[in-house]
Amino acid sequence: EVELLESGGGLVQPGGSLRLSCAASGFTFSSYAMSWVRQAPGKGLEWVSSISGSGGRTYYADSVKGRFTISRDNSKKTLYVQMNSLRAEDTAVYYCAKDFGDYGDSYPNYSMDVWGQGTTVTVSS
Amino acid sequence: SYDLTQPPSVSVSPGQTARITCSGDALSQQYAYWYHQKPGQAPILVIYKDTKRPSGIPERFSGSSSGTTVTLTISGVQAEDEADYYCQLADSSGTYRVFGGGTKLTV
Repeated sequence: EVELLESGGGLVQPGGSLRLSCAASGFTFSSYAMSWVRQAPGKGLEWVSSISGSGGRTYYADSVKGRFTISRDNSKKTLYVQMNSLRAEDTAVYYCAKDFGDYGDSYPNYSMDVWGQGTTVTVSS
Repeated sequence: SYDLTQPPSVSVSPGQTARITCSGDALSQQYAYWYHQKPGQAPILVIYKDTKRPSGIPERFSGSSSGTTVTLTISGVQAEDEADYYCQLADSSGTYRVFGGGTKLTV
């Protein structure tokens, strides 16, 4: 069974840092791009970042560019996002998601077909 | 522009057909994807590449596209379909992704 399990959320002060992890199982992790998507309380979904299967390509939403860094360790089947200079508006549930395919596929599919249950990040003093 | 516009809410009776639209200029050139999300749960992909249904998604879910508008259609709506629905697209290289604001389906 394909599963994603996020961890690392919590309460952090404005300007602080946090690293989220997402442990994957049930599929060939390195063959798929992975993404982070967040959802602020009572709000809609917001794409945060994506990374190719090899880790060589990374992409970010303008709202987090320069502050967040996505990475992956394919040997550990784990996805990460390092979040620095956190702001109150970063408060959200952060979901890890498996992409349908990978960057460079002949027929790209930029949807996310498996999601974790999310981890909550609260930025507050 | 990659802005996507969805109606905030749609209401239907059980057994009826629900249609949820998503509009945006980029939809004339890029595929749309649809997700539903129930309270307290993670989103689930229900349609990809405008019209395709992932395995395990009931046949009552279908997608269509016309110009700058895509539509998610749920035929024979059931109470369990009550959820928030989001459309999503990506640019041609997948370097940027965006979600619509979401539509609350009430059954």
